[in-house]
Amino acid sequence: KNEVEQSPQNLTAQEGEFITINCSYSVGISALHWLQQHPGGGIVSLFMLSSGKKKHGRLIATINIQEKHSSLHITASHPRDSAVYICAAEYGNKLVFGAGTILRVKS
Amino acid sequence: DARVTQTPRHKVTEMGQEVTMRCQPILGHNTVFWYRQTMMQGLELLAYFRNRAPLDDSGMPKDRFSAEMPDATLATLKIQPSEPRDSAVYFCASGWALGQGYSNQPQHFGDGTRLSIL
Repeated sequence: KNEVEQSPQNLTAQEGEFITINCSYSVGISALHWLQQHPGGGIVSLFMLSSGKKKHGRLIATINIQEKHSSLHITASHPRDSAVYICAAEYGNKLVFGAGTILRVKS
Repeated sequence: DARVTQTPRHKVTEMGQEVTMRCQPILGHNTVFWYRQTMMQGLELLAYFRNRAPLDDSGMPKDRFSAEMPDATLATLKIQPSEPRDSAVYFCASGWALGQGYSNQPQHFGDGTRLSIL
């Protein structure tokens, strides 16, 4: 069964902290997506990666194919980073979503 | 900035009524996705189109749901008859894919249609 597990489910951090959200998938995939859903409900695609590492501003996404694991890092976190972060694994023509990580960054 | 446009943003209707949700993908994108989000199930893929052809709609209840792309600028998702359990936020997204892959670039999401079936 194609599964995607995210951890933690909830995360509260102080402004400025380094944050890591983890995502594990069960079988071989063609790509891994990281999405951000704002409190208002809008969804933004942050990264799509199949190997290595990608960086955009304070966000870094990594993937380890052998360990079937991906991480999303946020450096120097800010209250505006508060959102739900969702990973999704691409299996052929199917996209399987994790349950999401609710992040709250306090000032 | 180009964006995916979904209409309506909100819809409240009674059980048994037909519901039609519309999506205008970003011009030039060749893939369109319909997703449903609920508190219980999270995000789920309902249907996936490439070059207007349905590639995968296995996530969609076939007896009451239908998805079409009558042209490159319009995708529709219909529910007939609607049921209270269909209450959810429905997202449309568009992107670009080459070859056999699902996508080659991150998808762009619309703002969603919040559907309530009474």
